[in-house]
Parts: sequence; C-alpha cells; structure tokens
Amino acid sequence: NAGVTQTPKFQVLKTGQSMTLQCAQDMNHNSMYWYRQDPGMGLRLIYYSASEGTTDKGEVPNGYNVSRLNKREFSLRLESAAPSQTSVYFCASSPKAGGQDTQYFGPGTRLTVL
Amino acid sequence: QKEVEQNSGPLSVPEGAIASLNCTYSDRVSQSFFWYRQYSGKSPELIMSIYSNGDKEDGRFTAQLNKASQYVSLLIRDSQPSDSATYLCAGRQYGNKLVFGAGTILRVKS
Repeated sequence: NAGVTQTPKFQVLKTGQSMTLQCAQDMNHNSMYWYRQDPGMGLRLIYYSASEGTTDKGEVPNGYNVSRLNKREFSLRLESAAPSQTSVYFCASSPKAGGQDTQYFGPGTRLTVL
Repeated sequence: QKEVEQNSGPLSVPEGAIASLNCTYSDRVSQSFFWYRQYSGKSPELIMSIYSNGDKEDGRFTAQLNKASQYVSLLIRDSQPSDSATYLCAGRQYGNKLVFGAGTILRVKS
C-alpha cells in the first residue's frame, strides 16, 4: 500500500515549457487535491476533485489545468510555465467527497522554472 | 484578515518543556481543524484533528479549540528534539477544502 505517489520528484523547466505532474493514490479515496507550497505562504489549494468526474478551482488556479483520469489518478498540467510557478507541489487525497475526514499527502514535486 | 493565521516563529523550547503552538481563524473557516507536522523537505503528516470546543489529547499532544475566541492551539508535552519541525494549522471550508496557515517553526534544544 503505497498511499499517495507523485512523479516526478524534481523538475527544472524553462519559461514557456509545458509539463504534467502525476499523482496516484491506492487507498480508494474519493477526493483528491493539488497544493503548492511557497516559503512563508503555507499550502495553497490549486485545484481539487471532490469525486471522480468532477474538478473545481481552488485559491490559485491560474496557469494550471487538471484532469481526474479515474478514481486513482489526478494530474496537474502547466501549459506555459512561468518563474512564478517555481514551488513545491503536493498532491493529497481524502476518503470522502465531503465531511470531516483527513487529507493524506504525497511526497511532493519540487519544480523550478528558469 | 487571513483565514488561518499562525506566528511563523521560530519557537524555541528546551527538551522536556511544553511547546505551545497557536492559530487563529476567521469566520470563513468552519469548526473543523487539523494540525499537521512537516519536517524539512518532507510532506505534511496529520498529528491531530479537533472538531468540538474544548481539549483533545493523544499521547504527548493536546489540541484545544475555543470557538468563541476563534483560536486553536497545540500543546506538546515533554518536547523532544525529534519534535523540531514546522507545524501547520488548517481549517475546513465548504466542500472539504482545507485552508492552511503559513506554519510555525518549532525548535527543541537538547
């Protein structure tokens, strides 16, 4: 039982390049989330998927797109990377589509945009 | 006002002491709160959740929620050097979204 996995662990992009961050969970969770973490800013929600087939914007969605491929997988795409998107990206999942349950985090992807 | 606010620290305590971490929240955050611990370069991991007014204890950790004053705290008894980390306070919004504070750095000195 691997929990939440993310690929890649590290990535360096040039401004304008595109890439997709992959996230998968093997806990049969309904909800999945993408956060970014910047120094002094805490974790900020980019997009989330309350259940398979649905996605919604979070606090900082501009410059990103997401796909909930199936119940296990939730990907985050940067179409045209900008230096402001340099950050650590965390994927998380939680069992229920709503209610008082815990979010479990993946190991993170450290992205640098030059 | 930010939805969840924390003092960034660092908070330094000697080994064996009680560490007290605090968090305040706005009306836009519901009454469910979580404390996550994050070691440098690692992902956040849940320590405690608290939903009701009052105290909740789990081993060396006690979470306290005061709805009237809109604050939540985490007490760590018998602090150990291994407790040195960043502690993130989070509150729930509509749709099971969490809003995080910026985190408090805790340093436990041996």
